[in-house]
Amino acid sequence: DVKVTQSSRYLVKRTGEKVFLECVQDMDHENMFWYRQDPGLGLRLIYFSYDVKMKEKGDIPEGYSVSREKKERFSLILESASTNQTSMYLCASSSAGSGTENTEAFFGQGTRLTVV
Amino acid sequence: AQSVSQHNHHVILSEAASLELGCNYSYGGTVNLFWYVQYPGQHLQLLLKYFSGDPLVKGIKGFEAEFIKSKFSFNLRKPSVQWSDTAEYFCAVTLYNTDKLIFGTGTRLQVFP
Repeated sequence: DVKVTQSSRYLVKRTGEKVFLECVQDMDHENMFWYRQDPGLGLRLIYFSYDVKMKEKGDIPEGYSVSREKKERFSLILESASTNQTSMYLCASSSAGSGTENTEAFFGQGTRLTVV
Repeated sequence: AQSVSQHNHHVILSEAASLELGCNYSYGGTVNLFWYVQYPGQHLQLLLKYFSGDPLVKGIKGFEAEFIKSKFSFNLRKPSVQWSDTAEYFCAVTLYNTDKLIFGTGTRLQVFP
């Protein structure tokens, strides 16, 4: 079974703190994603990585950065946490090759981040 | 920019009722289309996907979706829902030349016995 593991289920951080969210996948997938999920807004893509050290901004990258030093690990960084970044954060991975039967994303359980 | 629209935000049905959830996308080129489901307390999982060929796609648990290219639509259907179908449903799309996966806003489905 594909496994995408997020390091924390729940996090509470203070405004202004630097926050690291970690995600690890065990299927040698090229692609990894970070989304935030908010009621009524669905899943919004923050960043997408298609290879080690390669990244592409999603729809809402402001206030976030990412790091992908190893293929299996994709980190989301909140440089200075703010209350409007309180949300559920979802990590996903998929194999490369859009247009093939193998392109399916697998998701982690999510990290519920509260910034106070 | 590429976008995905789901017009039904919250749907309430009785068991055995038929379901249709709308999904429209804005990109004019070749796309891959997906429906994902998130059951309460669980992670998102794939319900069905369309890449090419027959525009009527069958997925797990009796769900199906029809790709209508002329309408830029990929609506999800189930002839008879069950209480266990209570979940949030997300439509998603990737463009042919990229693996970047974009989601719609989701539809919350509540099924009452």
